[in-house]
Amino acid sequence: AQSVTQPDIHITVSEGASLELRCNYSYGATPYLFWYVQSPGQGLQLLLKYFSGDTLVQGIKGFEAEFKRSQSSFNLRKPSVHWSDAAEYFCAFNAGNMLTFGGGTRLMVKP
Amino acid sequence: EAGVVQSPRYKIIEKKQPVAFWCNPISGHNTLYWYRQNLGQGPELLIRYENEEAVDDSQLPKDRFSAERLKGVDSTLKIQPAELGDSAVYLCASSFERKYEQYFGPGTRLTVT
Repeated sequence: AQSVTQPDIHITVSEGASLELRCNYSYGATPYLFWYVQSPGQGLQLLLKYFSGDTLVQGIKGFEAEFKRSQSSFNLRKPSVHWSDAAEYFCAFNAGNMLTFGGGTRLMVKP
Repeated sequence: EAGVVQSPRYKIIEKKQPVAFWCNPISGHNTLYWYRQNLGQGPELLIRYENEEAVDDSQLPKDRFSAERLKGVDSTLKIQPAELGDSAVYLCASSFERKYEQYFGPGTRLTVT
């Protein structure tokens, strides 16, 4: 079955620390992969996407993600977290007909 | 460029009442999606339109939910009658074609009491 797993429901990091949010997918081929961020009461904003080519992709707000085919993973990283990054992050893939989302990871940032 | 517009942003209704949500996609986007997002979960697709045709509505509870996209632009999602379990955020998204990234509106938070 097609699915996206975000193993960490909550993550807390200190401001200025590095961040890595995990995402694993289950699909028979390489799908299109996305990371979205959702602030409270807001819709989803696209951070970055991977379609093909370079497996390290850069996004907005200083985020990057690395696609690893052997691990079926697409982890999101940021070298230095800002307090404004506190939000919910969703990994998703598009396998042609629909966007399948993971359950999300809620990021909290300590001062 | 204007983003996806949704209204209302919030709606509180009593169970068994009808409710409707409206969405205006990004100009030029021919594919429109309605998602439901339950608290603490990722969005789940309800229906997908390509132009004015509903091409994927397998997850839409057809006994009480209906949707339309007349003229292939704006769309309306309706629930009649609403149930307590329908409380959720209803998100509209659009894309140029189905395989490309989707852009989401702010959503409508529905509370059924």
